[in-house]
Amino acid sequence: SQQGEEDPQALSIQEGENATMNCSYKTSINNLQWYRQNSGRGLVHLILIRSNEREKHSGRLRVTLDTSKKSSSLLITASRAADTASYFCATALLNTGGFKTIFGAGTRLFVKA
Amino acid sequence: GAVVSQHPSWVICKSGTSVKIECRSLDFQATTMFWYRQFPKQSLMLMATSNEGSKATYEQGVEKDKFLINHASLTLSTLTVTSAHPEDSSFYICSARPGRKETQYFGPGTRLLVL
Repeated sequence: SQQGEEDPQALSIQEGENATMNCSYKTSINNLQWYRQNSGRGLVHLILIRSNEREKHSGRLRVTLDTSKKSSSLLITASRAADTASYFCATALLNTGGFKTIFGAGTRLFVKA
Repeated sequence: GAVVSQHPSWVICKSGTSVKIECRSLDFQATTMFWYRQFPKQSLMLMATSNEGSKATYEQGVEKDKFLINHASLTLSTLTVTSAHPEDSSFYICSARPGRKETQYFGPGTRLLVL
């Protein structure tokens, strides 16, 4: 099962521009995480934002969370060609036995040098 | 940091054979492990949650007799794809969670190609 939608599905920008990706989810969450995945590779954890937080920064990354709208955004500033990857949001849902992580559909980002 | 390994990293097999994929937490004990499947250009779909010493909990639409999960120890979970068919070709990723914490640590994935 998937938690929600991400938009855009694909994004192509020039190096140096900012990239914004959005994620919406359906149920109440404990936290929301963003991951990066290079083509054919494993996941890289980028940032975690808790349900009681509204904004979080990590280097060139800025994540916002709006629990009233059940949405989050990931902003990558001053993008680089190396940022080319797929980006997924994931939500931690509490069920019996603990949390399980459900992923959004993802955004494929292409940064042109 | 917490490290999760998967073996093999890639496997090619003939249709009808069974394939076993191992997921190991190298420096922590994982009471819970998760198995995901990812088709090309798609997202990760949670297949099942396995708790050490108990039966796995499968997500809706995942055949438990097709995808056998064993979590025999706190550092090892295995996924066996039984009687694999070409449509089972996919990228299988496991993750492990220490205790009831919210953080999961992901393995590097196993690429399965069924001919």
